[in-house]
Amino acid sequence: KAGVTQTPRYLIKTRGQQVTLSCSPISGHRSVSWYQQTPGQGLQFLFEYFSETQRNKGNFPGRFSGRQFSNSRSEMNVSTLELGDSALYLCASSLAGAETQYFGPGTRLLVL
Amino acid sequence: DAKTTQPTSMDCAEGRAANLPCNHSTISGNEYVYWYRQIHSQGPQYIIHGLKNNETNEMASLIITEDRKSSTLILPHATLRDTAVYYCIESNTGNQFYFGTGTSLTVIP
Repeated sequence: KAGVTQTPRYLIKTRGQQVTLSCSPISGHRSVSWYQQTPGQGLQFLFEYFSETQRNKGNFPGRFSGRQFSNSRSEMNVSTLELGDSALYLCASSLAGAETQYFGPGTRLLVL
Repeated sequence: DAKTTQPTSMDCAEGRAANLPCNHSTISGNEYVYWYRQIHSQGPQYIIHGLKNNETNEMASLIITEDRKSSTLILPHATLRDTAVYYCIESNTGNQFYFGTGTSLTVIP
């Protein structure tokens, strides 16, 4: 069974731009969670989607948003990029959210 | 916020057992203990999880104390490829993890 895939793997943007990252969960998984990893803050939970609805949200500003499609694929969007948004963005999927999460390889975003 | 505490770093000789401790003294009755590892900024890899009984799989063993306030992840025969940051997480949902700083394990040849 294919694992969690994330596209693109690497991205360079400039301050003020916006970016959209994509995540395809493991087949049959309906819960997708997003995390941000930076050297200073470590791995931090962004939000979780299940059945196209945001179910849980971490402590991030409204510039960070996401959505989930009917096929469980998810996207996250960051608007008005700041230098501090440079990070590894990880998504993880699970069957329905109460089981083990499996992580993708991440998208490395660099904001210049 | 993360509710577990782990040593910052540990070394282990190749071929020996690596024992990684985790303190989760505020764990509640319905929270599981999960272990993941992350190798050089790849996505975290699931290792094992448990509620109150000891667990074993092909990768590792998880020993949870009777009071559930701490646990130990055991890699029975560490190899160089086990060098990674190991995270211990307590969660009752499985979909919203609060990671701590983890333990950086270095396996020495």
